[in-house]
Amino acid sequence: ETGVTQTPRHLVMGMTNKKSLKCEQHLGHNAMYWYKQSAKKPLELMFVYNFKEQTENNSVPSRFSPECPNSSHLFLHLHTLQPEDSALYLCASSQRESPLHFGNGTRLTVT
Amino acid sequence: DAKTTQPPSMDCAEGRAANLPCNHSTISGNEYVYWYRQIHSQGPQYIIHGLKNNETNEMASLIITEDRKSSTLILPHATLRDTAVYYCIVRVGSNFGNEKLTFGTGTRLTIIP
Repeated sequence: ETGVTQTPRHLVMGMTNKKSLKCEQHLGHNAMYWYKQSAKKPLELMFVYNFKEQTENNSVPSRFSPECPNSSHLFLHLHTLQPEDSALYLCASSQRESPLHFGNGTRLTVT
Repeated sequence: DAKTTQPPSMDCAEGRAANLPCNHSTISGNEYVYWYRQIHSQGPQYIIHGLKNNETNEMASLIITEDRKSSTLILPHATLRDTAVYYCIVRVGSNFGNEKLTFGTGTRLTIIP
């Protein structure tokens, strides 16, 4: 148990579907992150939120839409994805004096 | 942030010390060395970090050379559960708030029974 919970663990969706990934942290952290890990590639930072405000968008396509309603919850809304978007999507949280804590990810397959 | 170089893979016998090297020859004076690991089907897990002094915690030891151009992560008594990809990362500061860690390809460590 890392203190960062991601749901669902696995998701299969068609290219015309709309789905959402959810992340919840129970650590009292103020910063939350979305990372993408494609097969045989390093982790890529997608978005950063600090105190619910987006502070980083790493040139992510608009078919990925993040939402951070409060410091404990983070969503990634998915719409009209492509097969190359299939990957492990990792959520993380942190705050001053605490290292980055990752969830176990959502394995997304786009068909 | 400075680039790091790690061997792509290593094996270690169970019960022995696993020594994972990392080169960071362009590290700046204010950059820290961090180590994370990722066990299959899980998210990365923080292990340890340091600036220039050697560090030890319940998981591992970090040895940084005097010129800070390289470091070694030591798992003193490796177990099968230590099989994972280990990432060496350098970045400015140890303010963990608003992290933007850049992960490389890491070292795939396999513990042999």
